Amino acid sequence: DAGVTQSPTHLIKTRGQQVTLRCSPKSGHDTVSWYQQALGQGPQFIFQYYEEEERQRGNFPDRFSGHQFPNYSSELNVNALLLGDSALYLCASSAKGKQGGTSDTQYFGPGTRLTVL
Amino acid sequence: ILNVEQSPQSLHVQEGDSTNFTCSFPSSNFYALHWYRWETAKSPEALFVMTLNGDEKKKGRISATLNTKEGYSYLYIKGSQPEDSATYLCAPRSNDYKLSFGAGTTVTVRA
Repeated sequence: DAGVTQSPTHLIKTRGQQVTLRCSPKSGHDTVSWYQQALGQGPQFIFQYYEEEERQRGNFPDRFSGHQFPNYSSELNVNALLLGDSALYLCASSAKGKQGGTSDTQYFGPGTRLTVL
Repeated sequence: ILNVEQSPQSLHVQEGDSTNFTCSFPSSNFYALHWYRWETAKSPEALFVMTLNGDEKKKGRISATLNTKEGYSYLYIKGSQPEDSATYLCAPRSNDYKLSFGAGTTVTVRA
């Protein structure tokens, strides 16, 4: 049973460029969440996708956008990259898409390390 | 997004010793608390999800308690082993789907 996978593993971009990160959820999961982890901090919630729609969003600017496909995989797009966007980007999937789930454990991928120069 | 504090930031433990550390979070609008273990070069691994005040969960030598009224959780490691070396993250969840992670407690077990 494949877990959560992310691609690419590492990425180097320059300021002003755009980047797309990809995530495939664990088999049987329908919900995907994205997190940003800067050095020395815990993961910060970016947004969550369910049924191909953004369901919740954290305190991130509109430069951060996403998409979920019919097969539940997801992309995170960041436009106009800033130096401060350098971080580890984690994707997590969970099984309970409906509200009210009490044990919606999120399973994490290994992350994509983004470096903005 | 909730304000979550974990202490200490790091600790060193001798193999065989037991240890514990704390996660503090706002007690209002509490829904659930997640604990994760994150080993270097691996994905964060779910340890526990706790929802009720007074909950205690155990997985091998690792256990956790929850106090939702005062907003804290303890994680205990009994008889620490080198494989317990990792960063332990707590993440409370309020009445939405957002997990708010603390910065973690990094445990290093010395042989």
